Amino acid sequence: EAGVAQSPRYKIIEKRQSVAFWCNPISGHATLYWYQQILGQGPKLLIQFQNNGVVDDSQLPKDRFSAERLKGVDSTLKIQPAKLEDSAVYLCASSLGQPNTEAFFGQGTRLTVV
Amino acid sequence: AQSVTQLGSHVSVSEGALVLLRCNYSSSVPPYLFWYVQYPNQGLQLLLKYTSAATLVKGINGFEAEFKKSETSFHLTKPSAHMSDAAEYFCAVSEEDSSYKLIFGSGTRLLVRP
Repeated sequence: EAGVAQSPRYKIIEKRQSVAFWCNPISGHATLYWYQQILGQGPKLLIQFQNNGVVDDSQLPKDRFSAERLKGVDSTLKIQPAKLEDSAVYLCASSLGQPNTEAFFGQGTRLTVV
Repeated sequence: AQSVTQLGSHVSVSEGALVLLRCNYSSSVPPYLFWYVQYPNQGLQLLLKYTSAATLVKGINGFEAEFKKSETSFHLTKPSAHMSDAAEYFCAVSEEDSSYKLIFGSGTRLLVRP
């Protein structure tokens, strides 16, 4: 079974530039998560999708971050404009969406804002 | 609101010694609980999960965790540490009242001394 695919693996941009991350979840997984993991911290949930609808985006900085899930499958997360404090690993995860099923994680995208 | 507290950002043990990583949760309803492991430059991998079927849960790589409702704890243990266990460990919780969003603790880095 193919895992969660994310691209790119690494990205370096200057502050005020824009950047986009892509995620392809495991086939058939209804729930998709985007997490931000700052060095030395636990993953922080940015947004949770159920199929193509948003379940929770309470911690998404909506003035600069946006996310969409096309046709309930792939998802993109965008930052515009980026700030230095956005430097982090962005993790995508997916699950079947049932309460006791685990989330499967991609390898993440490491973003460095200079 | 649900939350997770992991006591000790770093734990150091000798190879062959007992591993004990602590996790306490805050939840208004019976939660689902998970332990994930993260190796350098990798995504998160599930070690084990508690789904109310049994309070003692066995996972991969010889790890296990015990759910104690009275203590609101879900500590992770392994009888004998191996060098390959050195990694970051995250406890996570989800509950129905929060649309099953997966909330992580801040993580514990396990160091294994030869």
